[in-house]
Amino acid sequence: SQQGEEDPQALSIQEGENATMNCSYKTSINNLQWYRQNSGRGLVHLILIRSNEREKHSGRLRVTLDTSKKSSSLLITASRAADTASYFCATDNYGGSQGNLIFGKGTKLSVKP
Amino acid sequence: EAQVTQNPRYLITVTGKKLTVTCSQNMNHEYMSWYRQDPGLGLRQIYYSMNVEVTDKGDVPEGYKVSRKEKRNFPLILESPSPNQTSLYFCASSPRLDSYEQYFGPGTRLTVT
Repeated sequence: SQQGEEDPQALSIQEGENATMNCSYKTSINNLQWYRQNSGRGLVHLILIRSNEREKHSGRLRVTLDTSKKSSSLLITASRAADTASYFCATDNYGGSQGNLIFGKGTKLSVKP
Repeated sequence: EAQVTQNPRYLITVTGKKLTVTCSQNMNHEYMSWYRQDPGLGLRQIYYSMNVEVTDKGDVPEGYKVSRKEKRNFPLILESPSPNQTSLYFCASSPRLDSYEQYFGPGTRLTVT
């Protein structure tokens, strides 16, 4: 069952602009993660935010979590061409099987030089 | 170098011919997992393992088997592959169950004709 759903499906911006991606989920969670995937390659973990946190920063990344709305956003500031990739959110299955991680379908980000 | 390795990276096979995709990690991680990635469907979890001899089904386990006899290895077995198992497969591992940050392998592109 798909839990995380990213929005938009695709995003095209110019280098230097900010990129914002959103993720919505359906059930309660312990934490939410964001991953990046360059075309056809393995996913790379970006950041994890726990359910009792509202905002987290890592370099040019800023993640927010609103558990009342069951949503999260990933902001990439001052984007670079190298940020071109697909971005996925992933949630744990709170109350379900531990270790069952559920990924969204991803947002494809294109940053033009 | 800390890494998750998968073999083979590419495989073309025929319906019904048993195959195994190997996954190995050198980070002494407890948790390992298999995913398949299909266009428009994102990543879906097949099986995961909390530790040696402990495995459990993910969201799409039908047609797959796994085993965890050693901590470092988590092979994915397709006893009788079918064309609908044509996909990009990823193995991932995590230090502990509660950390959830996963390290992904490079992927195995499987085609079943």
